[in-house]
Amino acid sequence: AQSVTQPDIHITVSEGASLELRCNYSYGATPYLFWYVQSPGQGLQLLLKYFSGDTLVQGIKGFEAEFKRSQSSFNLRKPSVHWSDAAEYFCAVGARDSNYQLIWGAGTKLIIKP
Amino acid sequence: DGGITQSPKYLFRKEGQNVTLSCEQNLNHDAMYWYRQDPGQGLRLIYYSQIVNDFQKGDIAEGYSVSREKKESFPLTVTSAQKNPTAFYLCASSIGTGMNTEAFFGQGTRLTVV
Repeated sequence: AQSVTQPDIHITVSEGASLELRCNYSYGATPYLFWYVQSPGQGLQLLLKYFSGDTLVQGIKGFEAEFKRSQSSFNLRKPSVHWSDAAEYFCAVGARDSNYQLIWGAGTKLIIKP
Repeated sequence: DGGITQSPKYLFRKEGQNVTLSCEQNLNHDAMYWYRQDPGQGLRLIYYSQIVNDFQKGDIAEGYSVSREKKESFPLTVTSAQKNPTAFYLCASSIGTGMNTEAFFGQGTRLTVV
C-alpha cells in the first residue's frame, strides 16, 4: 500500500533563511506528487504538483520541489522564507493502487523566527 | 468568484445528536470529497462522489453519511454513531478523479462535541 512520510512535525526557520521540507513516499511506480499549504483554521491550497517530465517543478509563492526517484522523495524548497510562509505543509501522493485517491502525509508545521 | 463554501465555520454538537455540514461549490466540478483532519495527522477521506447521485466510502466512513442530489452540493451528516466526531472537516472538489486533477478546498468546519 502507498504511504507518505513527512519526517519533521515542526521546523523552525529564521526569516530570510532557506527552507527544505522533506517528503518520502512508498509506491512501486512513479506516483503523482503534490504539495499543499494550509494556513491556521483554513483550507488547503495547492503549491505545486509533479506528474512527469522535468523533475524540478516550480510552484506558487516562490516554492519549488524536486522529485528524486532513487530516494522516493519529493522535497519542497524555498530559497528565502517570509513570515507569511508560516503555515502547515502537506505532501500528498496519488496512485492507481489507491483508486486515484490522494494519500496524505501528516504535515509539517513551519515556524518563522523574526 | 468561483470556489467552495463550507458552513458553518464552527459547529457544536451534543452527545447523541446528528449534525449536517454544508458544502457548496460553483466551480462546475464533477467530483467532491469530504476529509477529516485531526492534529498531527494527515487528511483522511470520509466519502467522495464522482457524479451526481453517486458516492463511495472512503477510509473512515463509519458514523457518517452523505448525499449528492445536486452537482453543486455535497452535505455531510455526522451521526450519533460517530463516537469521536470532534475534528476539523474539509470539503474539496475537483474536475475529475484522475490522478492529475487538482483538488480545491473549502475553509473547513470545526466540529466540537459538548
